[in-house]
Amino acid sequence: RKEVEQDPGPFNVPEGATVAFNCTYSNSASQSFFWYRQDCRKEPKLLMSVYSSGNEDGRFTAQLNRASQYISLLIRDSKLSDSATYLCVVNLSGGSYIPTFGRGTSLIVHP
Amino acid sequence: EAGVTQSPTHLIKTRGQQATLRCSPISGHTSVYWYQQALGLGLQFLLWYDEGEERNRGNFPPRFSGRQFPNYSSELNVNALELEDSALYLCASSFDRIYEQYFGPGTRLTVT
Repeated sequence: RKEVEQDPGPFNVPEGATVAFNCTYSNSASQSFFWYRQDCRKEPKLLMSVYSSGNEDGRFTAQLNRASQYISLLIRDSKLSDSATYLCVVNLSGGSYIPTFGRGTSLIVHP
Repeated sequence: EAGVTQSPTHLIKTRGQQATLRCSPISGHTSVYWYQQALGLGLQFLLWYDEGEERNRGNFPPRFSGRQFPNYSSELNVNALELEDSALYLCASSFDRIYEQYFGPGTRLTVT
């Protein structure tokens, strides 16, 4: 099982739709979690951190489910500009572990 | 506040040559990470530096190396370039390993 797994998609949704992505991780010692957005041929940009209590920023909501070992990202009222690849990142605690990126989920929002 | 900067933006080299890529982290960040992203692929972890020391490296051959300077800037060196080294090389910095990373715009390396 890969350390961090994401459905590559693409998720093809109309403007205004609500879409959700999940990201599963294999190590229960994982400590911190993030969602990034990456546009084509650009660098990843931090979208939001994922806290145990959940996190909401405008149309975006991130949740953490430690029992089932996944994080989720919900996008409400999708905009054309939301079209991008969404990467999840999982950090393990201790030692020399490095943050592990998922391969990303592609979202295409169409008119 | 200035973000992560990388230079050069583009680099064209021929097979067998050496490439040097540079990265300046956000002020106050001591950790620097290097990633390779080939076209259409995910981020592949290359190297992690913290406080001037190499803390971890990914599954890349020894011809990929680097260093971190006392001012926390970093350099990635790729020796004996091969065609498959053509990719976007991204540098990221963070305050600490467990905190979020901030990426630079990348250096696009083309090996011909």
